[in-house]
Amino acid sequence: DGGITQSPKYLFRKEGQNVTLSCEQNLNHDAMYWYRQDPGQGLRLIYYSQIVNDFQKGDIAEGYSVSREKKESFPLTVTSAQKNPTAFYLCASSRYNQETQYFGPGTRLLVL
Amino acid sequence: AQSVTQPDIHITVSEGASLELRCNYSYGATPYLFWYVQSPGQGLQLLLKYFSGDTLVQGIKGFEAEFKRSQSSFNLRKPSVHWSDAAEYFCAVASLSVNDYKLSFGAGTTVTVRA
Repeated sequence: DGGITQSPKYLFRKEGQNVTLSCEQNLNHDAMYWYRQDPGQGLRLIYYSQIVNDFQKGDIAEGYSVSREKKESFPLTVTSAQKNPTAFYLCASSRYNQETQYFGPGTRLLVL
Repeated sequence: AQSVTQPDIHITVSEGASLELRCNYSYGATPYLFWYVQSPGQGLQLLLKYFSGDTLVQGIKGFEAEFKRSQSSFNLRKPSVHWSDAAEYFCAVASLSVNDYKLSFGAGTTVTVRA
């Protein structure tokens, strides 16, 4: 079955720690995205990548970093510079830029 | 820049009753429009989308939406709600700029279904 997987489902971060959220897709999609979701708000774009080895900042990139070394993978690192990291993080992919986006199941990040 | 407004934060509907969720968008050209549904703790599932053509769009799970350019709206409807339709619903609009493609989401509408 083709799809998008995110791991872990829950992640706990200590103060000053960097953590990495995994996103993998086997849909052969070129474009991948990271969103942050907070209660009562819609989804906000953190980073996106249209092609391997290239990515662009979204609306709220500060405190986050990404890499795109393989077409299938787009990991997100939440750095210690992100002062309010508690949120639900969603990864998405699309066949190419401007196409319909499909979402993974999400990772909930909590701060200890 | 495009934006989406979902005026209703929360809607309660009886099982078997009809449902309509409102969505208003702001975008300078013909938009790409989407409705997604999210169950608690889950990712988003695409219900339907509008790119062009017929303004009445059919989706999965018995949902439909109508694009009205004059009202800048893309309201979602279902004639008869099932208890499993309880979820959060998001409307989204996409820009069409190749170099700056972006999907903007509304804040969502939570639907509660009562027996």
